[in-house]
Amino acid sequence: EAGVTQSPRYAVLQEGQAVSFWCDPISGHDTLYWYQQPRDQGPQLLVYFRDEAVIDNSQLPSDRFSAVRPKGTNSTLKIQSAKQGDTATYLCASSPGLGAETLYFGSGTRLTVL
Amino acid sequence: GEQVEQLPSILRVQEGSSASINCSYEDSASNYFPWYKQEPGENPKLIIDIRSNMERKQIQELIVLLDKKAKRFSLHITDTQPGDSAMYFCAASPNTGYQNFYFGKGTSLTVIP
Repeated sequence: EAGVTQSPRYAVLQEGQAVSFWCDPISGHDTLYWYQQPRDQGPQLLVYFRDEAVIDNSQLPSDRFSAVRPKGTNSTLKIQSAKQGDTATYLCASSPGLGAETLYFGSGTRLTVL
Repeated sequence: GEQVEQLPSILRVQEGSSASINCSYEDSASNYFPWYKQEPGENPKLIIDIRSNMERKQIQELIVLLDKKAKRFSLHITDTQPGDSAMYFCAASPNTGYQNFYFGKGTSLTVIP
């Protein structure tokens, strides 16, 4: 079974630039999460979906971050105008859904904003 | 949302000894407590979990304890090996249907040979 796939693995930007991260969850997993993990810290939830619907995006900085999952499969997280404080690893995770508890994480995208 | 505190942030132990990591949570609705291990450059992987209907769970050298009254749970690694060196994260999840997971800040464990 293929795992959660993310791309790119690394991104380096200047402040003000835009970047998009892509995630392909495990086939059949209806719940998809985006986490931000600053260096030496735990993952912090940004947004999560059930199918194409956003369940919780209260921690997503809506002025610069956006996330979509239009067909309930792949997802894209976009930062419109990156700041140095956005430097972190962005982890995508998926779960089989209702009643299922294990998160399966992708390898992450390590973002550096100069 | 839920707040999870994890201590210590750094832990160094001698090979063969035990290592303990402690977490506390605030939301009494939290009922599922997984532990993830993250090795350098890798993604977090589930190693053990405990549900609120249990007080203790053991898988090989890993033991998790849950004290619901105190809102605390802990991971104990017995007979540590150098391969146990990694970041460890605790998490708490309130069961509200589709579950959210709140993570602690992590513990960097180093097992000294």
